[in-house]
Formats: sequence, C-alpha cells, structure tokens
Amino acid sequence: DADVTQTPRNRITKTGKRIMLECSQTKGHDRMYWYRQDPGLGLRLIYYSFDVKDINKGEISDGYSVSRQAQAKFSLSLESAIPNQTALYFCATSDFSQGPLPNTQYFGPGTRLTVL
Amino acid sequence: DAKTTQPNSMESNEEEPVHLPCNHSTISGTDYIHWYRQLPSQGPEYVIHGLTSNVNNRMASLAIAEDRKSSTLILHRATLRDAAVYYCILRDPGGGADGLTFGKGTHLIIQP
Repeated sequence: DADVTQTPRNRITKTGKRIMLECSQTKGHDRMYWYRQDPGLGLRLIYYSFDVKDINKGEISDGYSVSRQAQAKFSLSLESAIPNQTALYFCATSDFSQGPLPNTQYFGPGTRLTVL
Repeated sequence: DAKTTQPNSMESNEEEPVHLPCNHSTISGTDYIHWYRQLPSQGPEYVIHGLTSNVNNRMASLAIAEDRKSSTLILHRATLRDAAVYYCILRDPGGGADGLTFGKGTHLIIQP
C-alpha cells in the first residue's frame, strides 16, 4: 500500500548534523502524525497536525521540529541529531472529515535513522 | 490516561483460533478500545475497534467484557501472516491530542 510514503527509508548520519525526514500521502486525509519507535517498545507521538495551519506537540517533541508544507506533505526535522535519536520513525495519516470515529490511522513503511 | 496490560508474547499454531487478551481496568466510559498490529518491518495497521458490544470484521473479532475492564481480540484461523505485534489501545474520541498511545503489545508467534 503506497498511500503513505516516507523518504528516505534508511539514513545514517553523524552527531550534530541536520536531517529531514519526509512524508507524503495520497489518501487526501487532513491529519498527519510523526511517531518514533525504539527497539522492543511501542510507538511514541512526536508531533501531529490537524491541517496545514495547525501543528501540535506530542509526547516527545524536544529536539524535533516539523513542517506541514501542504495537506499531503509533513516533514520531520532533527536540527542537530544526537545518538539517542537513533530509532524507527513512522508517519501516519487519518481522516477526521467524517467525524472522530474510528479515526483510523494509516502508517507509512517507516524510516530507520541511525545517528553515529 | 487509561492504560492497557497485555501479555508480552503468545504462541499458537497455524489454522487454529487465537485469543489475545487485554486488560484495561481504568477505562473510562468514553474510551473506545482499538487494536492495531505491526507486521515485521512494517508500520502498524488498524485491526478493529469497539465500545461496548462485540464487533466483527474481515480481519478479526473483538469481544468486550460486560464491565469493559478487559477485551479479547480473536483471530478465528491464524495464518503465518498473522505473526505480528498486536497493540490494544484506548482512545477517547473527544480527547484533544488524538495521537495513539502504544504500549509494548503482544508478540504473536505462529507455528506452522
């Protein structure tokens, strides 16, 4: 299912570098999310966006920033990457236009980021 | 936030039913019970959700206890493709944050 795509799929970078992860969706959904997953753990919410003009912090936003360039595009930036940001990053979308239920979230394939 | 408790792992045989339990003793009256699963090397995918009544869809069934303090995801005939981590998640549709709160989930192993 290529409705939610993430680029790059894998990235190795060095401490202190700026890096951007990109997410695009063709589902026409209004809401988009960024999560990170550490080994053996569930996903944690970094940022979410209700629409282009509405960005909100999630549980673990420190060290990250986002940009909603268009309804279909939501980017996550690490301004100065550090090793403990090594993780799997997932983008997700949901359609709230039909109401709050079930508000199913659709996830991209993930980006594996390694910070050396 | 109301939390859920799931076994770390479960094992079952192919073509047999699988019952995945979830305890949520502090569930509020407005929390919906959602299940997602994450196949190896993939993002999570929605499985099913419910409030009070049992629910069925093409992927699974959800049985909810009368007091709503526990629920069970039922895979009627497991296949090897059902091997995944299954997450039980509570969501209040009126809540502001809207993100999903994932625990560690249950790692389901299917034996051929």
